[in-house]
Amino acid sequence: SAVISQKPSRDICQRGTSLTIQCQVDSQVTMMFWYRQQPGQSLTLIATANQGSEATYESGFVIDKFPISRPNLTFSTLTVSNMSPEDSSIYLCSVTQSMGRAQFFGPGTRLTVL
Amino acid sequence: EDQVTQSPEALRLQEGESSSLNCSYTVSGLRGLFWYRQDPGKGPEFLFTLYSAGEEKEKERLKATLTKKESFLHITAPKPEDSATYLCAVQAGETSGSRLTFGEGTQLTVNP
Repeated sequence: SAVISQKPSRDICQRGTSLTIQCQVDSQVTMMFWYRQQPGQSLTLIATANQGSEATYESGFVIDKFPISRPNLTFSTLTVSNMSPEDSSIYLCSVTQSMGRAQFFGPGTRLTVL
Repeated sequence: EDQVTQSPEALRLQEGESSSLNCSYTVSGLRGLFWYRQDPGKGPEFLFTLYSAGEEKEKERLKATLTKKESFLHITAPKPEDSATYLCAVQAGETSGSRLTFGEGTQLTVNP
C-alpha cells in the first residue's frame, strides 16, 4: 500500500484564520479524498480531490470554506478557511487506486481552533 | 441514504476472551464493506474488504464475515495490543461515487 504523509501533524489556530494541510503520497494514485473526524465521532467525507479540476464536495461542505487543490497524482492540499472552534477536528486524507477498492489513510492533522 | 450502525459502542474483554463486533448496513447496491482499526491519534489502518454475502477474510486473530445485512468482526483469543477502535465502512452504488460511509465504531479494550 502507498505511504501517505500529512503536514502539519497538529496545529493550534486562532479564530478567523486559515490553515492549509498538505497530503503527500509516495506513489501515483488515482483518487484522493479528504475526511473530517470531529472529537469522539467517526469519519465524514468532505470532498474528492480531482487532479487538474475542481474538487467534488459532499453535501454540507463548500469550496469557499474548504478549498482543495490537487496539482498532480501524488499531492493534494486542503485549506480550512475563516476557522471557528467548530472546525476543531482531525483532518485525514485517503487514497485509492480505483472505486470499490480499499482506501488507505494518512496519519491525520489534529486542528484546534481557539 | 446509506446507513451503517456498529454495536456495541464499547467492549471490554479479558485477554483470551473471544467475542464479535457487529456492523449493520443499509445501502442501495453494496460495492464493498471495509473494516479498519484506529489507534488513538492515528489514521485508520485498513484490515479487510468484503464484497459479497458469504465472503470471509482472516488475519491473525481477526476474522470478518459478511451477510446481505451485516458484517461481523470476530476476535479470537484477543491480546491487549488488539485494543483500538474498530471502524466499519461501506461503499455503495454508482450514485455514491467512491464515498465511504462510516459507522461510529466499536471501542475495544482488552485487559491483561
